[in-house]
Amino acid sequence: NAGVMQNPRHLVRRRGQEARLRCSPMKGHSHVYWYRQLPEEGLKFMVYLQKENIIDESGMPKERFSAEFPKEGPSILRIQQVVRGDSAAYFCASSPDRGARGNEQFFGPGTRLTVL
Amino acid sequence: GEDVEQSLFLSVREGDSSVINCTYTDSSSTYLYWYKQEPGAGLQLLTYIFSNMDMKQDQRLTVLLNKKDKHLSLRIADTQTGDSAIYFCAETPNFGNEKLTFGTGTRLTIIP
Repeated sequence: NAGVMQNPRHLVRRRGQEARLRCSPMKGHSHVYWYRQLPEEGLKFMVYLQKENIIDESGMPKERFSAEFPKEGPSILRIQQVVRGDSAAYFCASSPDRGARGNEQFFGPGTRLTVL
Repeated sequence: GEDVEQSLFLSVREGDSSVINCTYTDSSSTYLYWYKQEPGAGLQLLTYIFSNMDMKQDQRLTVLLNKKDKHLSLRIADTQTGDSAIYFCAETPNFGNEKLTFGTGTRLTIIP
């Protein structure tokens, strides 16, 4: 069973361009989370999605950021008109439906976004 | 809102025990977790504890929870060079699938 897949692993964009980050959850997982890690900081929650639905987007910046998790295919985190402050590692996690271990989230390797 | 605090750095001699501490503010925390992050990698779940427990042991790892003081610790026995990493504590308030609130991370350095 492959783990959580993220691509690309590294992404370089110039200011004003768009960044699209992809996340394929573990097989059988229908819950996806996106977190952002700024340099030398912990992870901050951005958004929680189930298939075709955004459940909690309380950590998403109000502008330029959007996320989706379509019925078929990976979850996408999209950042429009990137700025230097968007440079960070973006981690995706997935979890199965509620189980005995509570909310056990499995993390992908992350996408490191650098904005020039 | 929730807040989770950790000290930033810890250095330990190889073979000694490491104790990484964490404090949290959310009294409704239900599950508390310890994650390990190696350089350039994602997060690996090490262990977790449910809030009605005060201790959990898993091989070299011991988790202690003081719910009254909202204090969580991770003890790694016989620390090895492979334990060098950043360790994050995290909490979630509910049984369901909810966001994790992470601490700032503690960078553990092993001294040969």
